[in-house]
Amino acid sequence: GAGVSQTPSNKVTEKGKYVELRCDPISGHTALYWYRQSLGQGPEFLIYFQGTGAADDSGLPNDRFFAVRPEGSVSTLKIQRTERGDSAVYLCASSLTGRDFGLAGPSSYNEQFFGPGTRLTVL
Amino acid sequence: AQSVAQPEDQVNVAEGNPLTVKCTYSVSGNPYLFWYVQYPNRGLQFLLKYITGDNLVKGSYGFEAEFNKSQTSFHLKKPSALVSDSALYFCAVRVSGNTPLVFGKGTRLSVIA
Repeated sequence: GAGVSQTPSNKVTEKGKYVELRCDPISGHTALYWYRQSLGQGPEFLIYFQGTGAADDSGLPNDRFFAVRPEGSVSTLKIQRTERGDSAVYLCASSLTGRDFGLAGPSSYNEQFFGPGTRLTVL
Repeated sequence: AQSVAQPEDQVNVAEGNPLTVKCTYSVSGNPYLFWYVQYPNRGLQFLLKYITGDNLVKGSYGFEAEFNKSQTSFHLKKPSALVSDSALYFCAVRVSGNTPLVFGKGTRLSVIA
């Protein structure tokens, strides 16, 4: 498949534990995004990577949340000392950017392609 | 700050009838507008987008949306609804400069046979 994949599909953990959520973007997409979707709500932005670097992490709720993308492809969202309020579906998306076309301009017009999500439940 | 409003939590329509799912937005600057659909236990799927140009945008599965700058709206439409269109629909907006995509809270569409 050529789409965005996320693992695991479901994760149940206990309050206080550490979890890692993985995202494999579409091959060739340099932009990668993490969102969190709570029940009855739309996705809320967490962090955005352009290549290996976090271009915007303004959506991370606190310092328990951290994400990496060391080789500019796969990304891992890490949550320390999980709390019950962290329970949600965590979505990953990827998109092309202007740089993928040899352009230097912004890429806000490119649609994002989403993975199926990881449902995190903190007991 | 950017925001999106989807005023209807639920829209019910009979199969074969036209459907409209409403969306209004608030941004500083020119908006880029998107519609996504979410089926149960699946990720969001892109339907269509407005960037510039013609105000009527056509997308996947026969859907279209009309950008109305004066009313700051981007309503999703389809001339003839199918039962298989039943899903959760999200409107989203961003402005230039790689700002985050901001989503509405979603509208559940139910098409009844």
